[in-house]
Amino acid sequence: NAGVTQTPKFQVLKTGQSMTLQCAQDMNHEYMSWYRQDPGMGLRLIHYSVGAGITDQGEVPNGYNVSRSTTEDFPLRLLSAAPSQTSVYFCASSYGTGDTDTQYFGPGTRLTVL
Amino acid sequence: AQSVTQLDSHVSVSEGTPVLLRCNYSSSYSPSLFWYVQHPNKGLQLLLKYTSAATLVKGINGFEAEFKKSETSFHLTKPSAHMSDAAEYFCVVSAFSGGYQKVTFGTGTKLQVIP
Repeated sequence: NAGVTQTPKFQVLKTGQSMTLQCAQDMNHEYMSWYRQDPGMGLRLIHYSVGAGITDQGEVPNGYNVSRSTTEDFPLRLLSAAPSQTSVYFCASSYGTGDTDTQYFGPGTRLTVL
Repeated sequence: AQSVTQLDSHVSVSEGTPVLLRCNYSSSYSPSLFWYVQHPNKGLQLLLKYTSAATLVKGINGFEAEFKKSETSFHLTKPSAHMSDAAEYFCVVSAFSGGYQKVTFGTGTKLQVIP
């Protein structure tokens, strides 16, 4: 199993540009989520999905969109990038939505918005 | 409400000496607790998790943590630090609430190991 994969690993955008961060998992996990990691703030939940066709907002959803058309894929879209979105983004998945389920993380995407 | 407090943003130890990384939590429900490690420019790796079974949890690489409900703590320890332990460590609380798994990360503790 490849686990959780993310592309790209690095990206530089100009303010106002749009892009999609890709996330895929091959573990047949129902629960997937996106986090951003900023220095001194830990990881903050952006959006999550409890299954194909079902998404919801997390702690910091503004400026981001998601969709979940398949179990495997959970892309994160930035519609109009802003410097405040400069961060490291992690995708995670888990088997279920129970609180004992371990989340598996992708390697991250480092995004810089100029 | 749910929160996690990692009491030290940086911890420095000498190689071969014990490691203690402190974590306190609050949760309105019976939570599960996790410790993750992140090496520089890498993703997050699960060290161990507590899920209401034994209160002393053993993880990978010689780490362990003890769940103390009365103190709402879940401190991470290791008897003898190794150079490869230098990384950032995150304490995480998770509880199923309002129809979804609410996961809250601490702000992280950077562990420095001095040769």
